[in-house]
Amino acid sequence: NAGVTQTPKFQVLKTGQSMTLQCAQDMNHEYMSWYRQDPGMGLRLIHYSVGAGITDQGEVPNGYNVSRSTTEDFPLRLLSAAPSQTSVYFCASSLGSFSYNEQFFGPGTRLTVL
Amino acid sequence: EDQVTQSPEALRLQEGESSSLNCSYTVSGLRGLFWYRQDPGKGPEFLFTLYSAGEEKEKERLKATLTKKESFLHITAPKPEDSATYLCAVQAGYGGATNKLIFGTGTLLAVQP
Repeated sequence: NAGVTQTPKFQVLKTGQSMTLQCAQDMNHEYMSWYRQDPGMGLRLIHYSVGAGITDQGEVPNGYNVSRSTTEDFPLRLLSAAPSQTSVYFCASSLGSFSYNEQFFGPGTRLTVL
Repeated sequence: EDQVTQSPEALRLQEGESSSLNCSYTVSGLRGLFWYRQDPGKGPEFLFTLYSAGEEKEKERLKATLTKKESFLHITAPKPEDSATYLCAVQAGYGGATNKLIFGTGTLLAVQP
């Protein structure tokens, strides 16, 4: 199993550009989440999904869209990038609620918005 | 407001020098407390889940404990390979709000040979 994969690893955008961060898992996990990690802030939840076709907002959803058309994939879209979205983005998945299931994280995407 | 605070921010130990990391929390309806390890340039790696006060879990040189207000990650006789950032997170709330984790900012541990 590849686990949780994320592409790209690094990305530089100009203000106003759009892009999609890809996340895929091959463990047949129902729960998937997107986090951003900023210095001194800890990981913050952006959006999450409890299954295909079901998504919900996390703590910091503004400026980001998600969809979950398959169990395996959970892309994160930046509609109009802003410098405040410069961060490291992590995708995570778990078999079910992470109350009782280990959450696996991907390797991250480092995004810089100029 | 739900909050998780980790201390110290950074800790430097000599190999074999045992110590503890602290995670204090103020949340409504704790459903679980989680410890993760994060190496530079990588995603967090799950270590432990604790559910109720008095619970303890161990893995190699690490032992996590939980009280009603805080958790400790005890590191016994650490080795240089234990160097990493250790993250604490809590899951709190009721119903649909339980699908979220609140993370602390982490403790950066450096173990010198």
